[in-house]
Amino acid sequence: KNQVEQSPQSLIILEGKNCTLQCNYTVSPFSNLRWYKQDTGRGPVSLTIMTFSENTKSNGRYTATLDADTKQSSLHITASQLSDSASYICVDYGNNRLAFGKGNQVVVIP
Amino acid sequence: ETGVTQTPRHLVMGMTNKKSLKCEQHLGHNAMYWYKQSAKKPLELMFVYSLEERVENNSVPSRFSPECPNSSHLFLHLHTLQPEDSALYLCASSQDPLQRRTDTQYFGPGTRLTVL
Repeated sequence: KNQVEQSPQSLIILEGKNCTLQCNYTVSPFSNLRWYKQDTGRGPVSLTIMTFSENTKSNGRYTATLDADTKQSSLHITASQLSDSASYICVDYGNNRLAFGKGNQVVVIP
Repeated sequence: ETGVTQTPRHLVMGMTNKKSLKCEQHLGHNAMYWYKQSAKKPLELMFVYSLEERVENNSVPSRFSPECPNSSHLFLHLHTLQPEDSALYLCASSQDPLQRRTDTQYFGPGTRLTVL
């Protein structure tokens, strides 16, 4: 069982709408939680990094939240654009190791 | 050129071939990484180099052989690969090998490898 589980696996949203992606992690002890965006044919690009003491962090239209008690994180995309079509990867850094989720595949349609 | 570059972007090879993947980072970082990304699987960390010294090897088969001649360049030498080795191979770099808790990794575009 993967230590980082993401849901939904994929979703399609209309341009301009909001969406929320979920990440559950089990790695302990926890150091930080990262979200990456990976466009098709490209490497992942860091969106946010949150430590234990942070419960929200924004990067433009992307807002990540973290609940260290329930070991859950979410990535909220506001007013989606066609360029938001990508895979969003949740990464837990803990116990001196990175644990990657499989990603949420988002498709934004006009 | 800035960031992390990888060559070639696409590679098709037979199981008896020998090839090499190249990665170069222009960010002045001290740590470099090789990852394997297969369809519908999480990224798999293969190797970590810090200041040209290998600090992590995650049970990778010996048919994959990394080389880090300096802190800016990283190679992955391939020989007698199997079809299941077909994947996207990503290189990344960071200032330190995750010793600082919020250290960001910067990824290259990857090499799409197909083994026939």
